Amino acid sequence: LAKTTQPISMDSYEGQEVNITCSHNNIATNDYITWYQQFPSQGPRFIIQGYKTKVTNEVASLFIPADRKSSTLSLPRVSLSDTAVYYCLVGDYYGGSQGNLIFGKGTKLSVKP
Amino acid sequence: GAVVSQHPSWVICKSGTSVKIECRSLDFQATTMFWYRQFPKQSLMLMATSNEGSKATYEQGVEKDKFLINHASLTLSTLTVTSAHPEDSSFYICSAGLAGVRGNEQFFGPGTRLTVL
Repeated sequence: LAKTTQPISMDSYEGQEVNITCSHNNIATNDYITWYQQFPSQGPRFIIQGYKTKVTNEVASLFIPADRKSSTLSLPRVSLSDTAVYYCLVGDYYGGSQGNLIFGKGTKLSVKP
Repeated sequence: GAVVSQHPSWVICKSGTSVKIECRSLDFQATTMFWYRQFPKQSLMLMATSNEGSKATYEQGVEKDKFLINHASLTLSTLTVTSAHPEDSSFYICSAGLAGVRGNEQFFGPGTRLTVL
C-alpha cells in the first residue's frame, strides 16, 4: 500500500479555510484517496474520497492533481469543533485489496477562537 | 445506516485477567471485520482481519494466542485480550467492511478504552 506523508500539526482560527496536503508518491493506478477525521477517544469518521481532479461534499473538498502524487483536503470556514486528527489514506477502493486500511501519522488540526 | 457498535466503551481490569470486546454491525452484514489498536497520541495500527466463519489473519507482531478473535456471524466479532497486562492498555477500535460496488467500505466503531491495572 502506498505510504502517505502529512504535516504533523496545523493551527487555524475559526472561520478560516484550512488546507491539509498529503503526499503519496507511490500511489498505484487502482488506488483511491480517502480522508478520515478522528476525535479523541472516538473511532475514525469518513470525510471524503476521490480518485482524480476535485471532489466536493457537504463537509469538505478534495483536490487531486493530474499526477495524483498528492492531494489536498480543504475544510471551508472551520469551527472549534473541527479540531481533530485528519488521516489521509490511499488504497484501491476503500482501503486495500483486502479492504484493510493502513493509517499514517495524521495531521492534528487545532482551531482557535 | 452502516452503524458499528462496540461494547464495552471502556473497561478496567486487573493484570492477568481476560477481557472480551464486542463489535457489532447494527444494520448491515459485514463481510469482513478489522481490529485496530491505538496508543495515546499515536495512529491506528491494524491488528487483525477476520472473515465470518474463518480464522483471523493477524498482522506481523500481533500475538494470535493473546488476542483471540472470534467472528461467529456476519454482524458480530469479538476480541479477547487474554492475560492482560498494563502494556495492553490501549484504545481498541473495530471496523466492519461492507462489500459495495467499488470494493469494501469500512465503517468504524466508537472504540473501547482498555486499562489494565
